[in-house]
Amino acid sequence: NAGVMQNPRHLVRRRGQEARLRCSPMKGHSHVYWYRQLPEEGLKFMVYLQKENIIDESGMPKERFSAEFPKEGPSILRIQQVVRGDSAAYFCASSPPPPESCSFGPGTRLTVL
Amino acid sequence: ELKVEQNPLFLSMQEGKNYTIYCNYSTTSDRLYWYRQDPGKSLESLFVLLSNGAVKQEGRLMASLDTKARLSTLHITAAVHDLSATYFCAVGTGNQFYFGTGTSLTVIP
Repeated sequence: NAGVMQNPRHLVRRRGQEARLRCSPMKGHSHVYWYRQLPEEGLKFMVYLQKENIIDESGMPKERFSAEFPKEGPSILRIQQVVRGDSAAYFCASSPPPPESCSFGPGTRLTVL
Repeated sequence: ELKVEQNPLFLSMQEGKNYTIYCNYSTTSDRLYWYRQDPGKSLESLFVLLSNGAVKQEGRLMASLDTKARLSTLHITAAVHDLSATYFCAVGTGNQFYFGTGTSLTVIP
């Protein structure tokens, strides 16, 4: 059973470009979470999705950030018009219904030049 | 908003010593998770605690949960170098996971 998969693992963008981060949850997991981690900091919750539904996006910046988890295909975190402050590691996690723990992907390290 | 606090944030300990990391949270929950993160890596699940008084042990690590006190502890026994990592607790409520700030542990010879 493959774990949570994220791609790309590293992404470099120039200011103003778009970044698209992909996450394929573990087989059988219907819940997907996105977290952001800045260097030397903890995990900041961004958004929680189930198939075709955004359940909680309270951690998402109001502008430039969006997320989706379509019926088919991976979950996508999209950052438009990136700025240097968007540079971070973005982790996706998936879980079955609680109380199981969530499993994390390897992360996408975004660098904005 | 549920708050999860860990202390200490940074811990430097000698090999062979014992220490405890604390995780306090602000609202009722009976699900508590511990994760380990090595530098530049992802998070690895260590323990899942699902009831008051739950205790789990794996090697030199032991985790416990007191839901009445809203407190979980991660106890390290006779630390060794390869335990150096950042440890996160996370509180589960509904379908959500709320993470603490992490404790960066360095074990020195």
